[in-house]
Amino acid sequence: DVKVTQSSRYLVKRTGEKVFLECVQDMDHENMFWYRQDPGLGLRLIYFSYDVKMKEKGDIPEGYSVSREKKERFSLILESASTSQTSMYLCASSLVSDGREQYFGPGTRLTVT
Amino acid sequence: GENVEQHPSTLSVQEGDSAVIKCTYSDSASNYFPWYKQELGKRPQLIIDIRSNVGEKKDQRIAVTLNKTAKHFSLHITETQPEDSAVYFCAASFAGNQFYFGTGTSLTVIP
Repeated sequence: DVKVTQSSRYLVKRTGEKVFLECVQDMDHENMFWYRQDPGLGLRLIYFSYDVKMKEKGDIPEGYSVSREKKERFSLILESASTSQTSMYLCASSLVSDGREQYFGPGTRLTVT
Repeated sequence: GENVEQHPSTLSVQEGDSAVIKCTYSDSASNYFPWYKQELGKRPQLIIDIRSNVGEKKDQRIAVTLNKTAKHFSLHITETQPEDSAVYFCAASFAGNQFYFGTGTSLTVIP
């Protein structure tokens, strides 16, 4: 059974703080993704990675960066958190091939005050 | 890039009735179309998917249809049950690398 875990379920940070969200998958998946989920906007892709040290911008990368030093771990970094980044953050992973299921983590509810 | 539109945003049906959710996509290169179900407070989970070389796929009470010419695909749930109440997301992808999600449909099944 694929397992995708995220470092925190709930996180409260202050404006201007640097925030790290970590995601770990245990199925040797090549692809990893970070989304944010907001009511009425669905899931929006922030960044994805198809290999170690490789990353691609998604639809809304501004204000975020990512790091993938090991295949199983994909980190999302908010360099200077703002209240507009209050959201639910979902990590996902999938095999690289012609269309494969994405497996999602439980999500991190981030509140920036 | 790809643009996926999903309708309706909310849907209420009586238990036992059918529910239909529709999505359109813009990029004809998209070839993989999954549907995810997200129950309250839980992670999205794949319920059914379809590839561009197939027109219809069924799994018990759930079916998905794809019209490549019109660039739309639909989720059909028959004999709905209260446990079908959730938010449903459609998505489109090319080669499984980047996924574009619809904005979600909140389905409520009234007992």
